[in-house]
Amino acid sequence: DSGVTQTPKHLITATGQRVTLRCSPRSGDLSVYWYQQSLDQGLQFLIQYYNGEERAKGNILERFSAQQFPDLHSELNLSSLELGDSALYFCASSSIGRNTEAFFGQGTRLTVV
Amino acid sequence: AQKVTQAQTEISVVEKEDVTLDCVYETRDTTYYLFWYKQPPSGELVFLIRRNSFDEQNEISGRYSWNFQKSTSSFNFTITASQVVDSAVYFCALISYNTDKLIFGTGTRLQVFP
Repeated sequence: DSGVTQTPKHLITATGQRVTLRCSPRSGDLSVYWYQQSLDQGLQFLIQYYNGEERAKGNILERFSAQQFPDLHSELNLSSLELGDSALYFCASSSIGRNTEAFFGQGTRLTVV
Repeated sequence: AQKVTQAQTEISVVEKEDVTLDCVYETRDTTYYLFWYKQPPSGELVFLIRRNSFDEQNEISGRYSWNFQKSTSSFNFTITASQVVDSAVYFCALISYNTDKLIFGTGTRLQVFP
């Protein structure tokens, strides 16, 4: 158990809908990363937050947004969902960021039908 | 720009064989950190090792060993006497001091047959 909790584990929704994925980092970790893993694209970095502030942005679509709350949990919002958004979404946390390892949650498997 | 290349898409070996997974990275920063993660069939990502750019010592942990060579920008991972439980996808990752982006390679799928 990495100590990172993601909910829900599975999500099935229709195209055009909006979903929210939740991540609780390990106790004490200030940094949260979000990744998308699809079959043909590997692990794509989406966004990183550090202590509530956005620190780095990857290939995150405009339809996607994220935030990190004062209690350090994070949410990834996906809207106007398309079939191609079906993927495994991972959250990871680390204590500082760059020079410490990131620990991953078990992921949320999103299926858009 | 940062980049991690894992040229081996899939490797198949028979149990007890040694296997090396290659990782080549690119970064303009002099301070950076390299990682290996394992993703077994169950799907979770498991941290294996972290190495910073100032520490070129090779590391051994049981059957696992890592060879970091700055001269060739490589951070290769060797499993000695492979076992069926080593079957997984292995990812190499890089974060540079000035970017905050933890970037992953495309992964190498290792299949170990009995």
